[in-house]
Amino acid sequence: DTGVSQNPRHKITKRGQNVTFRCDPISEHNRLYWYRQTLGQGPEFLTYFQNEAQLEKSRLLSDRFSAERPKGSFSTLEIQRTEQGDSAMYLCASSNPGLSYNEQFFGPGTRLTVL
Amino acid sequence: TQLLEQSPQFLSIQEGENLTVYCNSSSVFSSLQWYRQEPGEGPVLLVTVVTGGEVKKLKRLTFQFGDARKDSSLHITAAQPGDTGLYLCAGDNAGGTSYGKLTFGQGTILTVHP
Repeated sequence: DTGVSQNPRHKITKRGQNVTFRCDPISEHNRLYWYRQTLGQGPEFLTYFQNEAQLEKSRLLSDRFSAERPKGSFSTLEIQRTEQGDSAMYLCASSNPGLSYNEQFFGPGTRLTVL
Repeated sequence: TQLLEQSPQFLSIQEGENLTVYCNSSSVFSSLQWYRQEPGEGPVLLVTVVTGGEVKKLKRLTFQFGDARKDSSLHITAAQPGDTGLYLCAGDNAGGTSYGKLTFGQGTILTVHP
């Protein structure tokens, strides 16, 4: 297993466009998390899934954001009508509390730039 | 409100020096994780501390979890240029309110000069 993967690594879009990011977690991990990180800050929690169920969403996740994990494996994060304030690094992490103490392993991130 | 205060925010030292990074909170955490992040990459897990008072060593890095599970520290001995990076602490299940969500500090940018 090569760890958590994310695609694309970089995305440049114009304001008002929709974007979608994908995350493939470590295969035996049942929990999947999305975080957002802006320059000079630590990551901020957006949402998480246990298997296919979305169990918690941050108030940071406005109506323009939606996340899915339809079969409990990969997940997608979609941002509709992007705004310049959405520019950030979007990080995905996965864990399996049954294997370790909910240690979360991160992917390389998707860097979004909204022009 | 920042639940985890990390200090210092910036640290610039010479190779061979020792340093300590602090992570403090008023909340109790179930566990606390330390990560290191390179520019343009995701955070890489260094260690997880779970028990109050726990001390873990990873080569030249020593991690400590406070007795009350509200604070932690990272001590690096004889720092090397390869230690340069952003160090992040992250607490799990702050105050018992949300199992699974990590709350991050704002990070410490460490630069070790040869």
